[in-house]
Amino acid sequence: EVQLLESGGGLVQPGGSLRLTCTASGFMFSSYAMSWVRQAPGQGLEWVSTMCNNGGCTYYADSVRGRFTISRDNSKNTLYVQMNSLRVEDTAIYYCATYFYDGGNRNFDYWGQGVLVTVSS
Amino acid sequence: DIQLTQSPSFLSASVGDRVTITCRASQGISRYLVWYQQKPGRAPKLLIYGASTLQTGVPSRFSGSGSGTEFTLTISSLQPEDFATYHCQQLHSYPITFGQGTRLEIK
Repeated sequence: EVQLLESGGGLVQPGGSLRLTCTASGFMFSSYAMSWVRQAPGQGLEWVSTMCNNGGCTYYADSVRGRFTISRDNSKNTLYVQMNSLRVEDTAIYYCATYFYDGGNRNFDYWGQGVLVTVSS
Repeated sequence: DIQLTQSPSFLSASVGDRVTITCRASQGISRYLVWYQQKPGRAPKLLIYGASTLQTGVPSRFSGSGSGTEFTLTISSLQPEDFATYHCQQLHSYPITFGQGTRLEIK
């Protein structure tokens, strides 16, 4: 059974930092691109970042580029996002998701339960 | 960036109704359009990818169609468990984008 478990969320002051972790199990983690998606309270989904399966490529939303860094450790089946210079508008539930990419078939097929990040003074 | 606009944003319907949600892209995305269902307090769940391919385990009352810039998600006969928010997503190019969501509620 595929499982994705996010951790590391919490309350942080504006300008502060947090590192989120997504621990994966039940599938070949090193074969999948992985993504972070967030959802502000009462709002829609916003894609944050994606990393290729081997870590060789990364993509970021403009809203987080230069402040967030995605990384992964395939030996530990773990995905990270380091979030620096946090802003109030970064407050959201953060989900990690598998990105299945096979030619014309592309989708985020598995999602974690999400972790809440609150940026407030 | 490719903008996705869903309509309607809110839909009230009854069990047994047929409903259609539209997702329009600001530029052509071929068939790289995905639909997710999300219930309150839960993570999104993959329903349809490639505009029309049903994810394994998703009931056949769900269907998707479209290509290019206009896509639809249809639920042929609403069941109580279908009342949720539906999101479209484009995976044609970065940045990946989502529609604003369509909230489907019981009339």
